[in-house]
Amino acid sequence: HSALTQPASVSGSPGQTITISCGGSDNDVGAYNYVSWYQQQPGKAPKFMIYDVNKRPSGVSSRFSGAKSGNTASLTISGLQPDDEGDYFCSSYTTSSTFVFGGGTRLTVL
Amino acid sequence: QVQLVQSGGEVRKPGASVKVSCKPSGYTFINYGINWVRQAPGQGLEWMGWINPYNGNSYEAQSLQGRLFMTTEASTTTAYLELRSLRFDDTAIYYCARDFRQFMLHPYGMDVWGQGTTVIVSS
Repeated sequence: HSALTQPASVSGSPGQTITISCGGSDNDVGAYNYVSWYQQQPGKAPKFMIYDVNKRPSGVSSRFSGAKSGNTASLTISGLQPDDEGDYFCSSYTTSSTFVFGGGTRLTVL
Repeated sequence: QVQLVQSGGEVRKPGASVKVSCKPSGYTFINYGINWVRQAPGQGLEWMGWINPYNGNSYEAQSLQGRLFMTTEASTTTAYLELRSLRFDDTAIYYCARDFRQFMLHPYGMDVWGQGTTVIVSS
């Protein structure tokens, strides 16, 4: 499976809302509701932010939300804060019983 | 609390093998799958494989089949990743990460991550 497709970078000002897209195929994003999202800040391990397309683990701010339409998933962050800066990766379970990540999106808070 | 502690960094020559350990604590080891994910310098995340500690079933990324071997040891509640025939482009940080849901039969999503193990392949 090829990596899921994400924009290389997005940016926004504090307080704004941004959306990161994650393009897949009928064999991954479109096949199951097993899309998850991770935030990674420099020098740290990834952090689990969204699972099952749109569910938030305990402790993750409600400013983070997920959605899916067909073969494309998305992560929306509302009320941007400086601490939201970092890299964001989408992922999905696939029809080959494997897992695939997106290439990652660098979020800059201006 | 739940945590995964990995072994220290390694340096290997091309063609050699490396074995990384991952010792979870704070939960019942056999109930949750363990994923292995790597990240080359300045690059994104690459899923390598998943193993079920209860029965040893595993799935690997096709690109690593034949070189990647994942095992678990119930007596010490430790997971291991062994990568053989190392190449320069295997240089990366290697992470173990726990599956979010218990009793899954396949990789699902990773809620707790180890601190990462740096593996450098250099001649």
